Amino acid sequence: DAKTTQPPSMDCAEGRAANLPCNHSTISGNEYVYWYRQIHSQGPQYIIHGLKNNETNEMASLIITEDRKSSTLILPHATLRDTAVYYCIVRVWGAGTASKLTFGTGTRLQVTL
Amino acid sequence: EPEVTQTPSHQVTQMGQEVILRCVPISNHLYFYWYRQILGQKVEFLVSFYNNEISEKSEIFDDQFSVERPDGSNFTLKIRSTKLEDSAMYFCASTKDRTGELFFGEGSRLTVL
Repeated sequence: DAKTTQPPSMDCAEGRAANLPCNHSTISGNEYVYWYRQIHSQGPQYIIHGLKNNETNEMASLIITEDRKSSTLILPHATLRDTAVYYCIVRVWGAGTASKLTFGTGTRLQVTL
Repeated sequence: EPEVTQTPSHQVTQMGQEVILRCVPISNHLYFYWYRQILGQKVEFLVSFYNNEISEKSEIFDDQFSVERPDGSNFTLKIRSTKLEDSAMYFCASTKDRTGELFFGEGSRLTVL
């Protein structure tokens, strides 16, 4: 599995954009970058994923550098409900088998008033 | 929106007892997973299941653990003889295919006394 590195914690003011960085310098060509979050002790929630192009959905945007060695998750207008642990994960993909996610320690995002 | 449901939400058991945790994955999903999270620690992969057999399992998933899809809707995790260190939140997840996002349930908290 490609290893990911994230800052342990970040703060963001409500209404501002939250930019969460992730380094994955050993990512290989067929590995996707996935972002999940975990609010308190709930089940992890999928946010977005990408291979090499930037991606956007209703929750967030994902910016992947051209060399694919790092990425940034952007929550455009953070709210208090976005307070969570955010995980950047490089997806293991085994031919013919179901893939799995390897969670790290993530970034604890605290959104404040 | 379809969701993964898990029961029970919380189970307390005595050491050495058998426990079965139940999950109903999203109906058109084909890949199923169990993860666990010991309090304050990372989310850890236990096992993946596809086409009625285990695709991959971690070192944690020893002979005390088993999974089963007894009918077309349920996916169960059995711990044969629980230990204190099995106390954790157990998350079931499912996905439609190998590249799709995982949908997690809200978890079953297991407390072994």
